[in-house]
Amino acid sequence: DVKVTQSSRYLVKRTGEKVFLECVQDMDHENMFWYRQDPGLGLRLIYFSYDVKMKEKGDIPEGYSVSREKKERFSLILESASTNQTSMYLCASSLIFRVDGYTFGSGTRLTVV
Amino acid sequence: QQQVKQSPQSLIVQKGGISIINCAYENTAFDYFPWYQQFPGKGPALLIAIRPDVSEKKEGRFTISFNKSAKQFSLHIMDSQPGDSATYFCAASGASKLTFGTGTRLQVTL
Repeated sequence: DVKVTQSSRYLVKRTGEKVFLECVQDMDHENMFWYRQDPGLGLRLIYFSYDVKMKEKGDIPEGYSVSREKKERFSLILESASTNQTSMYLCASSLIFRVDGYTFGSGTRLTVV
Repeated sequence: QQQVKQSPQSLIVQKGGISIINCAYENTAFDYFPWYQQFPGKGPALLIAIRPDVSEKKEGRFTISFNKSAKQFSLHIMDSQPGDSATYFCAASGASKLTFGTGTRLQVTL
């Protein structure tokens, strides 16, 4: 089974802190995605990547950046955390050009105080 | 802009009943329509999916009905069980990435 592992299950950070959320997948997938999940809003795409060092903005990239230095690792960065970034963050991966095989991690619940 | 609209937001069904969740999309270029199931503390997992060349797909107790002309699709869960209690997301795909609906929280009562 493909595994997508998110490094932290829960995080509490202070406003203004720089926050790193890490995601690692073990099945050599080309595509990696970061979503945030909020009640009533569903899953919204923040950033995605089709290859190492490649990134594309999703629907809500403001306040976020990403890094993909290795194929298996995709990091989400909150440059200066704000309270409106309190959310559940989900990482996913898939083979390139394959939308039928998204595998999600279990999520990181981030609280910004 | 919400490209995939999902309803209802929450649903309570008795054990043995039929659960129905509806989605509508706007982009006619979408060509793949999956449903994901998410249990508390877990990430979403693919449940069932359909492509627009068929009007219905059934896998066990789960059925997707697809209406291309109306740009709507729905998930039917027959003989709903307490273990089906979860959040369900519809999605639609174009250009190798998925756009998700807002989710439906299903509770199946005894």
